[in-house]
Amino acid sequence: EIVMTQSPATLSLSPGERATLTCRASQTVSSSLAWYQQRPGQAPRLLIYGADIRATGVPARFTGSGSGTEFTLTISSLQSEDFAVYYCHQYYDWPRTLGRGTKVDIK
Amino acid sequence: QVQLVQSGPELKKPGASVKVSCKASGYPFNNYGLTWLRQAPGQGPEWMGWISTFNDNRNFAQNLQGRVTLTTDPSTNTAYMELRNLQSDDTAVYYCARDWGPIDHWGQGTLVTVSS
Repeated sequence: EIVMTQSPATLSLSPGERATLTCRASQTVSSSLAWYQQRPGQAPRLLIYGADIRATGVPARFTGSGSGTEFTLTISSLQSEDFAVYYCHQYYDWPRTLGRGTKVDIK
Repeated sequence: QVQLVQSGPELKKPGASVKVSCKASGYPFNNYGLTWLRQAPGQGPEWMGWISTFNDNRNFAQNLQGRVTLTTDPSTNTAYMELRNLQSDDTAVYYCARDWGPIDHWGQGTLVTVSS
């Protein structure tokens, strides 16, 4: 199965700062890569699919990039509601797999 | 609007089975697959399996194959996940989710607790 590795595990930043989260796949997933945000006590929410397409209603400060095995989620200027855990997910091959997450917390 | 409403929390003993339901509304049921995931306390979501609501094709996580059954009832727009031979490390919140590659809508989650 394709292993998804996210880094860093935790990112401590201040509001207004830029966040850069990385996801690496153990083999190519082409552009079949999604990012999700999960706040405490909530189900995950789709942010990005197709590696770089924002889902409906997702603010423009969220940008996805990459293809193949290396992907990045950038949050240009952190807002209070962005402090959460972020997961990447490949839907290129079966079984589908997710990374272990990056927690973005307040510095 | 799209909604996935899951059944309520369950408390099970080791070795028992659990069946979680997921009722879909707000979209054509047969047009999207359904994925099941679970999330143990303090962990990330784990993909469990997927079922096509069109032709009943299925795919499963390797570590659960043989213990999990996925079914759908198109007459009621409901999907079911049954997990057998429960152990303590199956304690988790179980989610159903609408899947067209990306997963764009999630149920509210069902807490399954396995304890003697």
